[in-house]
Amino acid sequence: GESVGLHLPTLSVQEGDNSIINCAYSNSASDYFIWYKQESGKGPQFIIDIRSNMDKRQGQRVTVLLNKTVKHLSLQIAATQPGDSAVYFCAELYNTDKLIFGTGTRLQVFP
Amino acid sequence: GAVVSQHPSWVICKSGTSVKIECRSLDFQATTMFWYRQFPKQSLMLMATSNEGSKATYEQGVEKDKFLINHASLTLSTLTVTSAHPEDSSFYICSARVVQGASSSNEQFFGPGTRLTVL
Repeated sequence: GESVGLHLPTLSVQEGDNSIINCAYSNSASDYFIWYKQESGKGPQFIIDIRSNMDKRQGQRVTVLLNKTVKHLSLQIAATQPGDSAVYFCAELYNTDKLIFGTGTRLQVFP
Repeated sequence: GAVVSQHPSWVICKSGTSVKIECRSLDFQATTMFWYRQFPKQSLMLMATSNEGSKATYEQGVEKDKFLINHASLTLSTLTVTSAHPEDSSFYICSARVVQGASSSNEQFFGPGTRLTVL
């Protein structure tokens, strides 16, 4: 079936550095993608989304890039802070109804 | 706005008993709610889609007779794990989709999750 996957299971960055989390998706028909942050023992928290008619979208300290040619999605976090430590999931809206989550990347921020 | 709550936040039960988990949209109406299951260090897996006033739609491999879903109102969906066994121990998360006028937004708001431990 269709799937959304991530390249790196764990990413360690120093506080203040920029972080880049990657995601590959397989359903070329998907037109909506979301990044979620999940802290331990909590539900996913929406970070940023992007539609397929865009290739870049910026939020506060976060940027999502979409490359439809290679079916690749990335989340960039500027000036990473200890509070950014969490697991990050990309999700793909499948068939305009279901969210299909990627495998997740754990971001560890050290001082 | 767009807050989703779950109750209980955690529950421990004996094998063979049933457990009910509630998912509520606190400040909005949701025609559709989703139930996910997440095992440790794994991703969220969609279990079923719950539509208000109709039967839930279950994903492949999810037993509908074991995971009973009821969506009786626009603000409440319940998931009952019947005859729970240790392998059902997991983190159960619901989400709700906002109703906007005549059509639904695609955005889902997630609850805080319920940790189920079956002894």
